Order: sequence, then C-alpha cells, then structure tokens
Amino acid sequence: EAGVTQFPSHSVIEKGQTVTLRCDPISGHDNLYWYRRVMGKEIKFLLHFVKESKQDESGMPNNRFLAERTGGTYSTLKVQPAELEDSGVYFCASSHLLGLTSGTDTQYFGPGTRLTVL
Amino acid sequence: SQQGEEDPQALSIQEGENATMNCSYKTSINNLQWYRQNSGRGLVHLILIRSNEREKHSGRLRVTLDTSKKSSSLLITASRAADTASYFCATARITNSKLTFGKGITLSVRP
Repeated sequence: EAGVTQFPSHSVIEKGQTVTLRCDPISGHDNLYWYRRVMGKEIKFLLHFVKESKQDESGMPNNRFLAERTGGTYSTLKVQPAELEDSGVYFCASSHLLGLTSGTDTQYFGPGTRLTVL
Repeated sequence: SQQGEEDPQALSIQEGENATMNCSYKTSINNLQWYRQNSGRGLVHLILIRSNEREKHSGRLRVTLDTSKKSSSLLITASRAADTASYFCATARITNSKLTFGKGITLSVRP
C-alpha cells in the first residue's frame, strides 16, 4: 500500500508569489489533514477534510491560505500571496473513518513540503 | 496553550541502554499517538494508545498512559544507533480529529 505522498518536496518562492502544495492520501482514507511546522515551533494543525468537505478549518492562519479536496481524493493547499512567516514544513496526513475498519484512527503522515519564502 | 509537552527536550544515551521519554497534556483526550521523525524526513507513526488503555507494546516500544496525571511515557528498550531521531507525542480530543503536538524530544543514541 502506497503511503501519503506530497509534492513538491521543496519550494522556494519570493514574498508575494503564489505556491500550491499537493497531497495524495492513502487510497481509501476519507480523512485528510494538513499541518505545518514553522522553525523552532511545534507542529500545528491547519485543517481537516472528511472526503471533500471541510470538517475543521480552525487552524488556518488567515485568508491567504486556501485548501481544496475536489472529489474527495487528493488535496491542494494554496498560499496566495506568500509571506515570510509562511516558511516552514507543511505536512499532510490521512486516516480511515472510524467504523470502516478495525477502528483505527491512526494518522499517517507524508514526508512534508519544505516551503521557503524569501 | 500547548497541549503536549515532552520531556526531556534532548536525551543522549549509549547503544543498548533504555530510553524513556515523557509527555504531558492538559485536556481530556480520546487517544495519544507517538511519532518519530528522522532528520529531514516525514513523521513515522509508532504507536497509538486510547484513553481507556494503560499500556501498549510494539516490539521494543512500550507506551504507558496515565489519564489521571495526564501523562504518557515512551520506553525504547535496547536502543540502537538507528533510533536516533526526534520523537513527538500528539493527542486527539475526540476520535477522527486533529492532533495537537508537543515540541518533540531529540534522542541521540551513541554507538
């Protein structure tokens, strides 16, 4: 079974530019989460999709961030316009919906996208 | 406020020794998960323990959970150089919900 994949692995952009990150969850996982870690801080939750619906977007820092999950498969996270403080590592994770399997809700993480805004 | 806090923040041990890492949290939880991150890589899930469980084992890993003290510990027995990594605890207040992470513990295992 393929794991969670993320693209690109690294992105370096200028302040004011736009960047789109992509996450492909494990096949069959209805839950998809975005997290990020900025330098020296803990990993913080951004938002949670259940299939194509946003279940919880309480962690989105501001309206420069837009997440989508059309069709309930892969997800994109767009930052427009990017600011210096957006630099960090963006992680995506996925998990089964409880009840469909043995009850596990372990979140499996992708390798992350390292975003550097200059 | 931060939910999960691990201690110590850094731990250095000799290969073959046991490593114990602790995590405390503030609110009630449904489950607590431990993850490992090797330098520059993604997070690898180690073990999940639910709030109605007290102890779980997986290979050389042993996790305990004390909900009355709002704390958990991760024990790695017979450590190896390959165990060198950052370790994070993360809590979920309800099932299928966001995880709240601590800052992590850096474990160095000297050969």
